[in-house]
Amino acid sequence: EVQLVESGGGLVQPGGSLRLSCAASGFTFSNYWMSWVRQAPGKGLEWVANIKQDGTEKYYVDSVKGRFIISRDNAKNSLYLQMNSLRAEDTAVYYCAREAVGGNSGIFDYWGQGTLVTVSS
Amino acid sequence: DIVVTQSPASLAVSLGERATINCKSSQSVLYSSDNKNYLAWYQQKPGQPPKLLIHWASTRESGVPDRFSGSGSGTDFTLTISSLQAEDVAVYYCQQYYRTPRMFGQGTKVEIK
Repeated sequence: EVQLVESGGGLVQPGGSLRLSCAASGFTFSNYWMSWVRQAPGKGLEWVANIKQDGTEKYYVDSVKGRFIISRDNAKNSLYLQMNSLRAEDTAVYYCAREAVGGNSGIFDYWGQGTLVTVSS
Repeated sequence: DIVVTQSPASLAVSLGERATINCKSSQSVLYSSDNKNYLAWYQQKPGQPPKLLIHWASTRESGVPDRFSGSGSGTDFTLTISSLQAEDVAVYYCQQYYRTPRMFGQGTKVEIK
């Protein structure tokens, strides 16, 4: 069974940093592109970033470029999101999602339960 | 960016009746080389992550009831629930994956009338 379990969320002050983790199991993690998708409270879904199987390609939404870094450790079956210079508008539930078909498909076939990040003073 | 717009924002349908959700992209998401529409539909129930229902605009995921169907091409798409069940109460999102950034519609909340 495919499982994605996020952790690392919490309350952080504006300008602060946080590192999210996503532990993957039930599939061959190193065969898949992975993404982070976020959802502000009561709002819709926003794709944040994705990363190729071997970590050599990474893409970001404009609003987080230069502040967030996506990475992965295939030996640990883990995905990460380093978030720096956090702003109030980054407050959201952050989901880890697998991209289907093994390529940069953009089809999110499995999602974690999410971890809440709150940016507030 | 390819922006995706859904309508209506919410709708209330009687049990057993049809629910129709529309999705329009700012540019065509039909890729000429494979003749596929790069559009997906997701269902999100309260307190849960989204669930993939349909991709390639009309291909249902395994295990998704056949009362859910997707149609359309180019820039205009529709998700239809042919006979609404109580468990279908949720917010539905369309999403384009033709180009990065992947973008979602703003969501359509489906309720029971």
